[in-house]
Amino acid sequence: ETGVTQSPTHLIKTRGQQVTLRCSSQSGHNTVSWYQQALGQGPQFIFQYYREEENGRGNFPPRFSGLQFPNYSSELNVNALELDDSALYLCASSWRALSRHNSYEQYFGPGTRLTVT
Amino acid sequence: GENVGLHLPTLSVQEGDNSIINCAYSNSASDYFIWYKQESGKGPQFIIDIRSNMDKRQGQRVTVLLNKTVKHLSLQIAATQPGDSAVYFCAENKLFNGGSQGNLIFGKGTKLSVKP
Repeated sequence: ETGVTQSPTHLIKTRGQQVTLRCSSQSGHNTVSWYQQALGQGPQFIFQYYREEENGRGNFPPRFSGLQFPNYSSELNVNALELDDSALYLCASSWRALSRHNSYEQYFGPGTRLTVT
Repeated sequence: GENVGLHLPTLSVQEGDNSIINCAYSNSASDYFIWYKQESGKGPQFIIDIRSNMDKRQGQRVTVLLNKTVKHLSLQIAATQPGDSAVYFCAENKLFNGGSQGNLIFGKGTKLSVKP
């Protein structure tokens, strides 16, 4: 187990609704990344948060947004849900130092399975 | 553009045999690679990583080989066990705007099945 936790484990929403997914990072980690994994595919990078700010983003529309809190936990919000948003949403935590080379290791949580009907 | 892909989508091996999972990448500037194992219903589990200044790294029963000349990465699992059955992903670290942090680019994965 990595120590990264996510909630809820499963969620069913209707097209057009909004959803919030939550992640608690591993102890000692200050950076959180979110990934979307469609069935049978590899995870796709959504965005990354460091020091409560988004510092990198993949090819996802603005209706995907996030937050990071002072305790380094994070939320992923998706507005106006579409059927194609059905996927496993993964959170990964890592450590980023302020002044030296960083660790690239990312440790994943178990994911939230989102189904949009 | 950058791409991390896998040569074989499925691999079936006999218990006790060695497994080799291959991966190709296209970004010659990539300096860090990771192998993850993902079991059904779970998140990816870190197995082993390697930086571009190395060509081989060994862990417990696993070895990662990096050939920068042909941009090829492989994961070798010794004495494969039924518990090794999973989907294996290689991932490449892509830096943000030349900075020191980045995101992972994953391939589609190889499903490893171990026959008892």
